Amino acid sequence: AQSVTQPDIHITVSEGASLELRCNYSYGATPYLFWYVQSPGQGLQLLLKYFSGDTLVQGIKGFEAEFKRSQSSFNLRKPSVHWSDAAEYFCAVSPSGGYQKVTFGIGTKLQVIP
Amino acid sequence: DADVTQTPRNRITKTGKRIMLECSQTKGHDRMYWYRQDPGLGLRLIYYSFDVKDINKGEISDGYSVSRQAQAKFSLSLESAIPNQTALYFCATGGTPNTGELFFGEGSRLTVL
Repeated sequence: AQSVTQPDIHITVSEGASLELRCNYSYGATPYLFWYVQSPGQGLQLLLKYFSGDTLVQGIKGFEAEFKRSQSSFNLRKPSVHWSDAAEYFCAVSPSGGYQKVTFGIGTKLQVIP
Repeated sequence: DADVTQTPRNRITKTGKRIMLECSQTKGHDRMYWYRQDPGLGLRLIYYSFDVKDINKGEISDGYSVSRQAQAKFSLSLESAIPNQTALYFCATGGTPNTGELFFGEGSRLTVL
């Protein structure tokens, strides 16, 4: 069965600092990978996705993520964090092909300090 | 208007009451899902539907039921609510091809006293 691990439950960064949120997955083949963001009181919004091809994917709001097959990782990065990036971030995995059941990590809550 | 609309957004109820959460979508998607979010547990799948005639249990379906009234409508019911069903509930839709990309409503916060 597929699974997703987000090892950091809370992260605090200063505004303007760089950010990396970690995500590791367990799946027998190359899955589809996603990062979603949940702002307070809101639903989840897709930041970016990886299906195949270039392992560095660009998303909305200046985020990017890199798929590393050898490490089973899909870490999310942003070079300079803005106060509006404070939110909860979820990594998710879905099998490639056939029935797609999406499995989510437990989330990483990002706090941005001035 | 939101593409995926959930009602009610907030509900407080008592143990033993029947509750229905409704979801409607304007995206034209066949696939619809109900998730439950709890702090520290992420999102867990309750039920999903690939079309009007197809309903499937997710990982935590006990105590819940669903109805797919039309392609655009998918409701979640708690026949007899209990306090540990207090949570934030999300409806989501998925398009074709089924890549796993989901589109979420804003959530329904349910409190069972």
